[in-house]
Amino acid sequence: NAGVTQTPKFRVLKTGQSMTLLCAQDMNHEYMYWYRQDPGMGLRLIHYSVGEGTTAKGEVPDGYNVSRLKKQNFLLGLESAAPSQTSVYFCASRGKGEYSNQPQHFGDGTRLSIL
Amino acid sequence: DAKTTQPPSMDCAEGRAANLPCNHSTISGNEYVYWYRQIHSQGPQYIIHGLKNNETNEMASLIITEDRKSSTLILPHATLRDTAVYYCIVRAPRGFGNEKLTFGTGTRLTIIP
Repeated sequence: NAGVTQTPKFRVLKTGQSMTLLCAQDMNHEYMYWYRQDPGMGLRLIHYSVGEGTTAKGEVPDGYNVSRLKKQNFLLGLESAAPSQTSVYFCASRGKGEYSNQPQHFGDGTRLSIL
Repeated sequence: DAKTTQPPSMDCAEGRAANLPCNHSTISGNEYVYWYRQIHSQGPQYIIHGLKNNETNEMASLIITEDRKSSTLILPHATLRDTAVYYCIVRAPRGFGNEKLTFGTGTRLTIIP
């Protein structure tokens, strides 16, 4: 009964380094999302995907890239990490249907620090 | 999305029912009421959602007033693990390009031993 699993849970990077965050869901969900949450602020949508092979920009996409090669996985990449990208990253997924009322289900987050 | 208003904080004794109110007086006919919670340092957890009928699942009950302008989330037997920030969100089913889920400031619920 894993739901949405994020790896790694914690990571410290140096400015300019690259890394990939992995999100995996076992609920056969079509839609997947990447959010970031900064202290005292709400969730901000980075990128999302409405199905395998498709991605779309959210409200804060700059500095990030994503890929959805398999339905169950959604990868978030930082090509050249910057201190402003220090944050907690959450992945979410939801069931099929463009005009669906299905809720989003979240992972437990990846805490990323950029020095 | 309709604006929601929640009290900033509430306390509840362990074992008692926790009743969390939410006002959404500008809700539209096709907008659903969703409840999530976020326990410190964890991801938001979906609790329940509904349109106009009362809903119940293994976690909670959702009571929506007949005019749909307010709702109450009920945790029937609160435990210490229910201490969290609870978010009431009102939104319509989304189409492509409008996927963002917006969390307000929520209610910080503290369960007292």
